[in-house]
Amino acid sequence: DVQLVQSGAEVKKPGESLKISCKVSGYSFSSYWIAWVRQMPGKGLEWMGTIYPYDSNTRYSPSFQGQVIISVDKSINTAYLQWSSLKASDTAMYYCARPVMSFGVARRFDPWGQGTLVTVSS
Amino acid sequence: QSVLTQPPSVSAAPGQKVTISCSGSSSNIGDNYVSWYQQFPGTAPKVLIYENNKRPSGIPDRFSGSKSGTSATLGITGLQTGDEADYYCGTWDSSLGAVFGGGTKLTVL
Repeated sequence: DVQLVQSGAEVKKPGESLKISCKVSGYSFSSYWIAWVRQMPGKGLEWMGTIYPYDSNTRYSPSFQGQVIISVDKSINTAYLQWSSLKASDTAMYYCARPVMSFGVARRFDPWGQGTLVTVSS
Repeated sequence: QSVLTQPPSVSAAPGQKVTISCSGSSSNIGDNYVSWYQQFPGTAPKVLIYENNKRPSGIPDRFSGSKSGTSATLGITGLQTGDEADYYCGTWDSSLGAVFGGGTKLTVL
């Protein structure tokens, strides 16, 4: 059974750093891309980027390039999303999901992690 | 402003049919498959339709998808109160990567 289990909710202050995780089980972690998706309060879904664990090849959305870093640790089947200096506008639910890729294109995202709520407030 | 355009809300009575539209362009829907996601409050999205009109196992055939040109449509027949949720379309854009619609809130009256 494919599962993506994310780390717990975080409350941080502006300017602080943060790294959230997505632990995968039920399939060969290195063989499938992993994506991160943001959902701001009351808003829609926004793709942030995608990483291929086998070689850490990473693609970022133009909107998030330079704002976050996506990485993996293959030894523990875990993907990460990190910020070096959080802003209040980073307050959102963050989901990891497995994109089904074909010729470099994501055809769907399935399954999804349960989400990690990040709150940034002074 | 989302790259894909969906109506903010739709509503219909139990047992009726509803459609949700998703409008894009030649750089996204016009050139790639469309998927649809259902999201209940406080939960993660779940794929309902992929590759325009395919249903994952476990998704009832009350849900259907279609695509024509640069638009796609999700159809739900035999509406149930349990279908009340937010629905999102998604696809790939040649410049932006994965893109989603702004979401449509379905109310079953």
